[in-house]
Amino acid sequence: EVQLVESGGGLVQPGGSLRLSCAGSGFTFSSYSMNWVRQAPGKGLEWLSYISFSSYTIDYADSVKGRFTISRDNAKNSLYLQMKSLRDEDTAVYYCARDDGAAPHSMDVWGQGTTVTVSS
Amino acid sequence: QSALTQPASVSGSPGQSITISCTGTSSDVGAYNYVSWYQQHPGKAPKLMIYGVSNRPSGVSNRFSGSKSGNTASLTISGLQAEDEADYYCTSYTSTRARVFGTGTKVTVL
Repeated sequence: EVQLVESGGGLVQPGGSLRLSCAGSGFTFSSYSMNWVRQAPGKGLEWLSYISFSSYTIDYADSVKGRFTISRDNAKNSLYLQMKSLRDEDTAVYYCARDDGAAPHSMDVWGQGTTVTVSS
Repeated sequence: QSALTQPASVSGSPGQSITISCTGTSSDVGAYNYVSWYQQHPGKAPKLMIYGVSNRPSGVSNRFSGSKSGNTASLTISGLQAEDEADYYCTSYTSTRARVFGTGTKVTVL
C-alpha cells in the first residue's frame, strides 16, 4: 500500500524550532518529488515547499522562506521540514504530499497530517 | 503569491450539476495547464480529483470534470450525490515556481 506517515508535530513556544518527518512506503520514494502543505485550524490549504526527487530543485512559499528548510533522505525513504522562528500563525496541521510523477505539480498521495501548535 | 479565488460555498440538490470556479492570473492559472482540484472531507487529508486541468486520476468518478478558460479554471460535479459534500480546493503552478491553492469552496448537498 502506498503510504505517507508524518511525525514530529507537537507544542512549541513562539520563536522555537521543530523538525517534521514524513516516511514513505509502498513506492519508490527516490523517484518522486515531494511537497509540504499545511492547514491552519478552520482555514484552507497552504502550499509550503517542494523538493525534487534528487533534491536538485527546492522551492518555498514566501510565508516560510528563510525560516523553513525542506530536505530528504532517499536512503531512509524520508522527507523532512525543519522549522525555526515559529510564530503563532504557524499553528496548523502539516501534510506531506507526493508529486504525481505522471502529472507534474499535482499531489496524488497525502499523509494523514501532524499537528503543530505554537503557543506560550 | 495570492490565493486563487473560489466561491465560499456552492450548493445543489441530489442529481443536479454544480460548478466551482477558480480565478487566478496570467502568472498562474492562465499561464500553465497545471491546475489540480482536491476534495477534503472534515478531518481527512485532501484527495486529488482532477490534474492537468481536466484529467481524472484512476478511481475518481467521471461525474467530476475540469476545464479552463483564460485565468479561470472550473470543476463541475454532475449527478450530485450526498458523498460529494466536502470542501474543494483548486491549485496551480505559478511563474515564480511556487504553487498556490484556492481559497476553498464548501459544497453542500441539499
